[in-house]
Amino acid sequence: TQLLEQSPQFLSIQEGENLTVYCNSSSVFSSLQWYRQEPGEGPVLLVTVVTGGEVKKLKRLTFQFGDARKDSSLHITAAQPGDTGLYLCAGEWGYNQGGKLIFGQGTELSVKP
Amino acid sequence: DTGVSQNPRHKITKRGQNVTFRCDPISEHNRLYWYRQTLGQGPEFLTYFQNEAQLEKSRLLSDRFSAERPKGSFSTLEIQRTEQGDSAMYLCASSPTPWTGVPVLSGNTIYFGEGSWLTVV
Repeated sequence: TQLLEQSPQFLSIQEGENLTVYCNSSSVFSSLQWYRQEPGEGPVLLVTVVTGGEVKKLKRLTFQFGDARKDSSLHITAAQPGDTGLYLCAGEWGYNQGGKLIFGQGTELSVKP
Repeated sequence: DTGVSQNPRHKITKRGQNVTFRCDPISEHNRLYWYRQTLGQGPEFLTYFQNEAQLEKSRLLSDRFSAERPKGSFSTLEIQRTEQGDSAMYLCASSPTPWTGVPVLSGNTIYFGEGSWLTVV
């Protein structure tokens, strides 16, 4: 069974601090996606990483895919209250899986002004 | 708005009743997915369609659940004889091209709807 474990599950920080969220699996994923979800809304895609060792930046967010494609991290620099939300990693394992994603349990981020 | 549309957004039903959710994917997206999300958890895959064909169903999808996509456009998810454990948000998503396992930035993104909240009392 493919599982994705996210850590930490909850994170409460002050505005301006940096943070890192981790996503780990014992399985090799063909791709991994990061989503942000607001209460009562569906997940919104932030980034997709596909190549081992890949690093992608989206403004203050930096995403990294592990060399072995079993883990990923999301780093936020100088967090702002607008970053508050649920961050989800999701992986697709193998190929021709129809886009079926396995999600981590999420990291609930709260950034206080 | 041309995103994935789901309705109703919220449904409260008594245990034992049947409920149906509808999903309208982004126009011309041939892949449609249903996921379920409970509080404090990430979404869990339920089933997906390639056009009108239902290609895979999760073991989470008990025989009380049925999903259809009769014309390859909108889809419905019906839950019969609801139980309190069915309370969750039901998410629909669509993607524009067959997922080949090699995601392309603009090609194989999965777009989620806003979800339909079900509360069984």
